[in-house]
Amino acid sequence: QKEVEQNSGPLSVPEGAIASLNCTYSDRGSQSFFWYRQYSGKSPELIMSIYSNGDKEDGRFTAQLNKASQYVSLLIRDSQPSDSATYLCAVRPSNNAGNMLTFGGGTRLMVKP
Amino acid sequence: DTEVTQTPKHLVMGMTNKKSLKCEQHMGHRAMYWYKQKAKKPPELMFVYSYEKLSINESVPSRFSPECPNSSLLNLHLHALQPEDSALYLCASRESSGRAAGELFFGEGSRLTVL
Repeated sequence: QKEVEQNSGPLSVPEGAIASLNCTYSDRGSQSFFWYRQYSGKSPELIMSIYSNGDKEDGRFTAQLNKASQYVSLLIRDSQPSDSATYLCAVRPSNNAGNMLTFGGGTRLMVKP
Repeated sequence: DTEVTQTPKHLVMGMTNKKSLKCEQHMGHRAMYWYKQKAKKPPELMFVYSYEKLSINESVPSRFSPECPNSSLLNLHLHALQPEDSALYLCASRESSGRAAGELFFGEGSRLTVL
């Protein structure tokens, strides 16, 4: 059973639309949640971190966390073609062994002009 | 620009070669990581160093040998690799404590091809 699940996509949205990326996790005690963006052939780049239930906004990005439902999401408003990338959800498990992160498989986002 | 620097960016080697990947960070982070990433897959943890000591080895074959000479440097020595070891090798670092300790900062990666 995968510990962090994401729809692999591709998720295709038109330019200017809202892209909604979703992630579920199995470890109920997880405390820290992260979204990484990875362009093809490049390394992952941290774009959002969230630790408490609710929403956290940073520019066009909003991370949403619902610990009761074990669900974290990333909304990208006014999507641009430059947002086309794979988005990796990562969770810091409760046992926190070595501060390892568990990554989901990633969702590929395509923003069409 | 990333604050974690990896060299070389590209490496092609034969199965009998010995080579090394290097990683450097100057953010004062005391935990450093090696990840391996195959195409269309998430990063896969290989090794974790905490305060220059190897704390996690995720059952990686001995043909991969990590080394942490000091708190800023991390090496990955490669010997007798197989073609299936071809991948993007990512170095990452993080703060050692606190809530933000989960925030990994990745280098640009070293793309390895084994012939």
